[in-house]
Amino acid sequence: DTGVSQNPRHKITKRGQNVTFRCDPISEHNRLYWYRQTLGQGPEFLTYFQNEAQLEKSRLLSDRFSAERPKGSFSTLEIQRTEQGDSAMYLCASSPTGGEKLFFGSGTQLSVL
Amino acid sequence: AQTVTQSQPEMSVQEAETVTLSCTYDTSESNYYLFWYKQPPSRQMILVIRQEAYKQQNATENRFSVNFQKAAKSFSLKISDSQLGDTAMYFCAFMKYNNNDMRFGAGTRLTVKP
Repeated sequence: DTGVSQNPRHKITKRGQNVTFRCDPISEHNRLYWYRQTLGQGPEFLTYFQNEAQLEKSRLLSDRFSAERPKGSFSTLEIQRTEQGDSAMYLCASSPTGGEKLFFGSGTQLSVL
Repeated sequence: AQTVTQSQPEMSVQEAETVTLSCTYDTSESNYYLFWYKQPPSRQMILVIRQEAYKQQNATENRFSVNFQKAAKSFSLKISDSQLGDTAMYFCAFMKYNNNDMRFGAGTRLTVKP
């Protein structure tokens, strides 16, 4: 399977705990994006990487959120001290340099109790 | 700021018939891309069709076509010969040229009835 892969598929955690999600983009894609989608809404942009460099961050990405892409391949999104309002689907997408088509993974559904 | 509006939260259509989903957007940019994405119950976003703003010709992909009205900032999706597998959420999206922030509408839930 050469699509975008996200793990875990589902995560249930208690408020205040830290969680980390992983995204493996399509191998030849240099660009990687994180989006958040709440029920009944479209995805909202969180952050974007070009190779290992994090080039853009949305105001939605509070200081409790951190994303990394250390080797320019897979990426992790960590949420510290989770809050109930963090409950959402976290989507990862990738695209080749110069490409405007985003290829999405199946997402990680986070539930904060 | 760019905004994308989908005014139809839900729609339904009989199998084999045609349905049109509406989308309007607001931007001061002249160069940009528009997209329709499909999100089935599996939750994976799948690109249906895209349009480059500088192209006047409407994009088509098999049973899917768009009506792009740049002056009116309108970008509707027409699905012909609807199939049961077309049942999904459909999101309209906007991306400025040379930008990486894709903005999505709130979506339209389409149900194709047998």
